[in-house]
Amino acid sequence: GESVGLHLPTLSVQEGDNSIINCAYSNSASDYFIWYKQESGKGPQFIIDIRSNMDKRQGQRVTVLLNKTVKHLSLQIAATQPGDSAVYFCAENYGGATNKLIFGTGTLLAVQP
Amino acid sequence: DTEVTQTPKHLVMGMTNKKSLKCEQHMGHRAMYWYKQKAKKPPELMFVYSYEKLSINESVPSRFSPECPNSSLLNLHLHALQPEDSALYLCASSQEPGQTYEQYFGPGTRLTVT
Repeated sequence: GESVGLHLPTLSVQEGDNSIINCAYSNSASDYFIWYKQESGKGPQFIIDIRSNMDKRQGQRVTVLLNKTVKHLSLQIAATQPGDSAVYFCAENYGGATNKLIFGTGTLLAVQP
Repeated sequence: DTEVTQTPKHLVMGMTNKKSLKCEQHMGHRAMYWYKQKAKKPPELMFVYSYEKLSINESVPSRFSPECPNSSLLNLHLHALQPEDSALYLCASSQEPGQTYEQYFGPGTRLTVT
């Protein structure tokens, strides 16, 4: 059977709805953040990034919001499509220009047709 | 070309075997990385190479030995692995060491240690 800790947080949405995926980061000195999408059997794929001197950044159908006060990051996906179904990870650049990325635990986005 | 390639795609090895994982990028990136990812977990950083020199080793056991023969290639040599080392091994690259740029990931090598 499955063990506790092997279940990813899951967000289930209807096709066409907007999705919001949240992430708490750990290091107040982190200055760069990335959202990645990982489909089954593939490597993480870059979606959007944001630097700590910004609060919001928009891409195509995606928006990232950064709240440094509470160390919170969110990814908003507009008009969610079945192809958006994947695991989404936030990652923080840990401690300035060390190129060391620390990933969050991940959220499974399940899009219902 | 914004692709990071990894070979092999799958690898099964015994605990006494020696094998190598390979990673290649032709984007002119000067930082390259190895990550380990267990099922339903996030990638965990193992090694960082900056300008072909090892700059970060995240206390990885010596049975994993990285090598960067040139700016386009990154290898991970494996010897005397344990079953708990079974995982997806991901390679990534980014534009410049010491500056924050996105990391591009390869598809990974699915390693099974028997």
